[in-house]
Amino acid sequence: DAGITQSPRHKVTETGTPVTLRCHQTENHRYMYWYRQDPGHGLRLIHYSYGVKDTDKGEVSDGYSVSRSKTEDFLLTLESATSSQTSVYFCAISASGTADQPQHFGDGTRLSIL
Amino acid sequence: KQEVTQIPAALSVPEGENLVLNCSFTDSAIYNLQWFRQDPGKGLTSLLLIQSSQREQTSGRLNASLDKSSGRSTLYIAASQPGDSATYLCAVKETSGSRLTFGEGTQLTVNP
Repeated sequence: DAGITQSPRHKVTETGTPVTLRCHQTENHRYMYWYRQDPGHGLRLIHYSYGVKDTDKGEVSDGYSVSRSKTEDFLLTLESATSSQTSVYFCAISASGTADQPQHFGDGTRLSIL
Repeated sequence: KQEVTQIPAALSVPEGENLVLNCSFTDSAIYNLQWFRQDPGKGLTSLLLIQSSQREQTSGRLNASLDKSSGRSTLYIAASQPGDSATYLCAVKETSGSRLTFGEGTQLTVNP
C-alpha cells in the first residue's frame, strides 16, 4: 500500500470553527490531491499540488485553502466550517502527472460539522 | 464538462460467476482511465490503469478494456468471489488537467 496517512480519521466540530486536515506521504511523490466524497456526487477534486508551494484549485475549492511547505505534507483548511462541508475527505498522491502514473488514496477523514 | 457514468449502480451475483462492470465517459480526450475498488469505510485501492493509447490491462482475475472512440471502459472480473464484494469506481484523467473525474461507482455483492 502507498504510504499515505490522513489525520485525524474522524472529527466532529461546530459551524464557524476552523478545521485543518493533514495528509502525510512517505513516497516522495510530487503530486498530492484533496477530494471530497458525497452521496450523489461521487468524488470531487478540491485542490491539488504539483510541488512544494505549488497548488491549484479543483472543481469545488470555495471555502477551502491548502498549503504544502514540505514534499511529504499537504494540509487542507476550512477557515470557517459550514454544514455543507460535512463529508468524507480523501488525500491522494501520484509520482507525476504523466499518463502512466496512477493516483493512490489514503483511508479518508470523516468530518461532521454540526 | 467531462461526465462519467457507471451502470448498474448495484449488482448482485452468485460466487463463481464472471461479470462485467461498465463505465462510460462523455469526452473522449482522456489521458488515462483508472479503476478503483472501495471497501466500506475505507479509501480507494487502485486496480488497473489504462493509458489512452492502450486497449486493455490485466491483473490476475481482472481485465479492463478501453474504447476511447465510443467513450467506454469495462472491468471484467473472472470467477467472482465473496471477497470481491465492494464498490468499484472508474475515473478518467483529462488531457488538459491533472484531476480525475469519477463515476459514482457500482456496488458489487458476490453471494457465497
